[in-house]
Amino acid sequence: AQSVTQLDSQVPVFEEAPVELRCNYSSSVSVYLFWYVQYPNQGLQLLLKYLSGSTLVKGINGFEAEFNKSQTSFHLRKPSVHISDTAEYFCAVRYISGGYNKLIFGAGTRLAVHP
Amino acid sequence: DAGVIQSPRHEVTEMGQEVTLRCKPISGHDYLFWYRQTMMRGLELLIYFNNNVPIDDSGMPEDRFSAKMPNASFSTLKIQPSEPRDSAVYFCASSLGGAGNSPLHFGNGTRLTVT
Repeated sequence: AQSVTQLDSQVPVFEEAPVELRCNYSSSVSVYLFWYVQYPNQGLQLLLKYLSGSTLVKGINGFEAEFNKSQTSFHLRKPSVHISDTAEYFCAVRYISGGYNKLIFGAGTRLAVHP
Repeated sequence: DAGVIQSPRHEVTEMGQEVTLRCKPISGHDYLFWYRQTMMRGLELLIYFNNNVPIDDSGMPEDRFSAKMPNASFSTLKIQPSEPRDSAVYFCASSLGGAGNSPLHFGNGTRLTVT
């Protein structure tokens, strides 16, 4: 069965430090990959997406992610975090096969940025 | 664009009562999704529509749940009768196109509490 695994449920980090949020997916077919962010009491917002082409994808708020097909990973990174980056981050995968259209979300990683 | 609009933002009801959640998708979007978010199960896809037609309702937990989309600008998710285990945040999302490269736009959710 297709699945998405976010390896860390919580990531504490100090302001201005770099951060990496990890995401792995099960795959035997082509995929589209997404990262969404959820601020408290809000819906999810798209951070970035990988559809094809360059494996390094840049998104909003200084985030970027790298698609690694051999490791079936799509880790999210930011070189220097800000207090305002405190939120929950969701990795999501859309499997492309025979019209299969569901977007599958990981369990989420709560990023807590401390001063 | 106002984005995806959900109402109410909060709903508190007693077990056994009927609950109706409402969603207005982004104008022009042809796909609409209902998700449920809980701490235990994360984000679960309940049902999605294409051009107002339900395509996949395999995520609807049981017959107490039903969803309709009478026109392109309105959808409802109904729970009758409600139970305490239905307590969750329910999100509606819409997208233009159902292909893998179409990001979802989420509403701010309805927080349902069943006592």
